[in-house]
Amino acid sequence: DVKVTQSSRYLVKRTGEKVFLECVQDMDHENMFWYRQDPGLGLRLIYFSYDVKMKEKGDIPEGYSVSREKKERFSLILESASTNQTSMYLCASISSAGGNTDTQYFGPGTRLTVL
Amino acid sequence: SQQGEEDPQALSIQEGENATMNCSYKTSINNLQWYRQNSGRGLVHLILIRSNEREKHSGRLRVTLDTSKKSSSLLITASRAADTASYFCATVESYGKLTFGQGTILTVHP
Repeated sequence: DVKVTQSSRYLVKRTGEKVFLECVQDMDHENMFWYRQDPGLGLRLIYFSYDVKMKEKGDIPEGYSVSREKKERFSLILESASTNQTSMYLCASISSAGGNTDTQYFGPGTRLTVL
Repeated sequence: SQQGEEDPQALSIQEGENATMNCSYKTSINNLQWYRQNSGRGLVHLILIRSNEREKHSGRLRVTLDTSKKSSSLLITASRAADTASYFCATVESYGKLTFGQGTILTVHP
């Protein structure tokens, strides 16, 4: 069974802290994504990676960085958390073999609160 | 950038009724997908329709696509309380990147 897991369901951090959100997939997918979801704004792409050590900015990369040292793991890093980064964060992965006709598989989400 | 716009934003119906949600998008697409999200959870893929298809069925789901109008609709027939969720359309770009609509919140009353 296909699986994308995220390290935490709920996380509370303080302003200025460095925050790591981890995502692991067991499907040997090449492409992985980080989205954030906010009421009234929908889901927006932060960063994605199409291969190990490769990354591309999405629509809202400011304040975030990512790391992809292993194929199965894609980390989202908030270097200095701010209150406007309070959000639901969703990780997803997709195989590149099928071009863009494959579906994305999503993790359960991490609800991050920055105080 | 937000490409898909969905209508209505919220829909409340009784069990057994049909639910129709609409989505519009702005640019050319290769395919369009619909996802479901239960409250506070991740997204689950429901159905994919390619740009050369006009209609697709999966169980109680029926999706239509009108590329001339840049719009799609999702119909859930004979709805159940368990269908209560948010529904999103998404267009697909290179590398499989998704651009989502705002979503429709569907509430099905028992």
